[in-house]
Amino acid sequence: ETGVTQTPRHLVMGMTNKKSLKCEQHLGHNAMYWYKQSAKKPLELMFVYSLEERVENNSVPSRFSPECPNSSHLFLHLHTLQPEDSALYLCASSQSRRAAQETQYFGPGTRLLVL
Amino acid sequence: AQSVSQHNHHVILSEAASLELGCNYSYGGTVNLFWYVQYPGQHLQLLLKYFSGDPLVKGIKGFEAEFIKSKFSFNLRKPSVQWSDTAEYFCAALFNQGGKLIFGQGTELSVKP
Repeated sequence: ETGVTQTPRHLVMGMTNKKSLKCEQHLGHNAMYWYKQSAKKPLELMFVYSLEERVENNSVPSRFSPECPNSSHLFLHLHTLQPEDSALYLCASSQSRRAAQETQYFGPGTRLLVL
Repeated sequence: AQSVSQHNHHVILSEAASLELGCNYSYGGTVNLFWYVQYPGQHLQLLLKYFSGDPLVKGIKGFEAEFIKSKFSFNLRKPSVQWSDTAEYFCAALFNQGGKLIFGQGTELSVKP
């Protein structure tokens, strides 16, 4: 256990569905991240939130919409996804975005399958 | 562009063999380096990290890594692997304060009992 939880752990959805992934961190951190882990590819950073403000969006399609209502919770809203979006979606948190405190702690991930 | 390369995609070892996994990063200012491990069915866990100081870093479970600035490398080592070390290992680099954490493509380690 790293103090970062994600729900659901597995999700199957059709291309017309709307679903949301949830991440919660119990570490008192101020920065949270969404990553995509596809087979045989490096982890790809999708979004970064620092003190509840989005500070980075790595050219992610608009069918992925993040939300950070407070520093402990992070959501990823999914809408009209494509089969190539099937992957493991990882949430991470760090104390801050200052280098010395930027060690990221990862949740277990949500395994998403888009049919 | 900032990047991290792990040259070994799949490594197979017998128990008690020594391990060295390669990691190279592109140059570009201050860099902080990490090794993460992902055991089958589990989440990414931090093995060790280098921010500054002694370039030989010791982590959990007997792992260590050496930062060699002149070679832009941060190789992971363990003198004697166990079956329980079977996992995927990811090297990552943080270029400059507040930058993106960039991951290598991972190395799958299989240890035969």
